[in-house]
Amino acid sequence: DIQMTQSPSSLSASVGDRVSITCRASQSIGSYLSWYQQKPGKAPKLLIYKTSSLHSGVPSRFSGSGSGTDFTLTISSLQPVDFATYYCQQSYSTPLTFGGGTKVEIK
Amino acid sequence: EVQLVESGGGLVQPGGSLRLSCAASGFTFTTYEMNWVRQAPGKGLEWVSYISSSGADTFSADSVKGRFAISRDNAKNSLYLQMNSLRVEDTAVYYCARGALFYDPSTGDLVTTGAFDSWGQGTLVTVSS
Repeated sequence: DIQMTQSPSSLSASVGDRVSITCRASQSIGSYLSWYQQKPGKAPKLLIYKTSSLHSGVPSRFSGSGSGTDFTLTISSLQPVDFATYYCQQSYSTPLTFGGGTKVEIK
Repeated sequence: EVQLVESGGGLVQPGGSLRLSCAASGFTFTTYEMNWVRQAPGKGLEWVSYISSSGADTFSADSVKGRFAISRDNAKNSLYLQMNSLRVEDTAVYYCARGALFYDPSTGDLVTTGAFDSWGQGTLVTVSS
């Protein structure tokens, strides 16, 4: 199975900050990496697929980069609505696997 | 508007069974692959099962293989998860999630990437004596 490791597990940031979250795969997954945002009590929402493609309706302050085993989600200017938990997910092979999550909190 | 509505969750004793349903609307159900994803209380996301658009192909996580079965009824726009031999560690919110399709301009085809672009609100399954 491909293990997905996210870092950090949590971070504190202020509105307007540039925030980056890292996801590392235990083996190469090409570009088959997606990012999700989840708020408490709600279902996850797709932000980015295929490493860097922005899902419809997602603000352009979100971006994704990387390839192979190392990937990054960047929020260029953190907004109040962005405080949430973020997950990466690989779809290179089954079982599909998620990272452990990164909780973004208000500083 | 795409809608996925899960039902069938509840409290069940260890060793018991439950059948979850997911009613889909607002899109052509027969075109899309579907999945079940779960989240234990206070924990992260765990993929459970996948089913192809026709229903011919299925895959499941090792943690549920042989106990859970995913199926679909395309005539009823519905997805199902039959859960048998339930364990305490199966306690979670279960989400149905649609497999995303995206347009590939190089081929002119719709392609799947394994991402999940629409999710239901989830149904809670609690396994406890």
